Amino acid sequence: GIQVEQSPPDLILQEGANSTLRCNFSDSVNNLQWFHQNPWGQLINLFYIPSGTKQNGRLSATTVATERYSLLYISSSQTTDSGVYFCAVRSNFGNEKLTFGTGTRLTIIP
Amino acid sequence: DAGITQSPRHKVTETGTPVTLRCHQTENHRYMYWYRQDPGHGLRLIHYSYGVKDTDKGEVSDGYSVSRSKTEDFLLTLESATSSQTSVYFCAISEFQGAIYNEQFFGPGTRLTVL
Repeated sequence: GIQVEQSPPDLILQEGANSTLRCNFSDSVNNLQWFHQNPWGQLINLFYIPSGTKQNGRLSATTVATERYSLLYISSSQTTDSGVYFCAVRSNFGNEKLTFGTGTRLTIIP
Repeated sequence: DAGITQSPRHKVTETGTPVTLRCHQTENHRYMYWYRQDPGHGLRLIHYSYGVKDTDKGEVSDGYSVSRSKTEDFLLTLESATSSQTSVYFCAISEFQGAIYNEQFFGPGTRLTVL
């Protein structure tokens, strides 16, 4: 099945810093989503972005489907950005499931 | 926020007992999913449903069964719980319109501990 790799696995930043999280996938996809899992375990939808670029406040995402990667940008980090960021994809050749990466754990220090 | 609730939110049970987790949605979405989340594995699909009484297996379906008798409810049953089924269980919903796979939205999760 499709493989999803996220990097870096861990990231510790000072409040106010910018960061880039990467998601590589091994096959063509028809769905790609970014999630933030907060310290209480809730999965929050950030972007639905099978291709192209989207922005939402301090967050933006770009997916280059032909090169099989997606990037999540977080600018001017705040402590509330801490948590685990997951990339999840649905393969063009798979069933209905989303395949998740193992996540990037982001810690923002005040 | 998508209208998805899960019950119970926390449960502790003993090995060998049956357990049923419930997912309820108010969005009238056709697709519903059960995932489990374990350290080092991310989220993995257990079962999913594409309509009332229509279900299919995911990648980690052994030891689990599901039922969907109404659009809004999707039940996950562990017939005889084992310690390896200790996990956090998430329900998700999505819609499929034409050729477009819409995004999935997740419920708050159920933390299950099997002693």
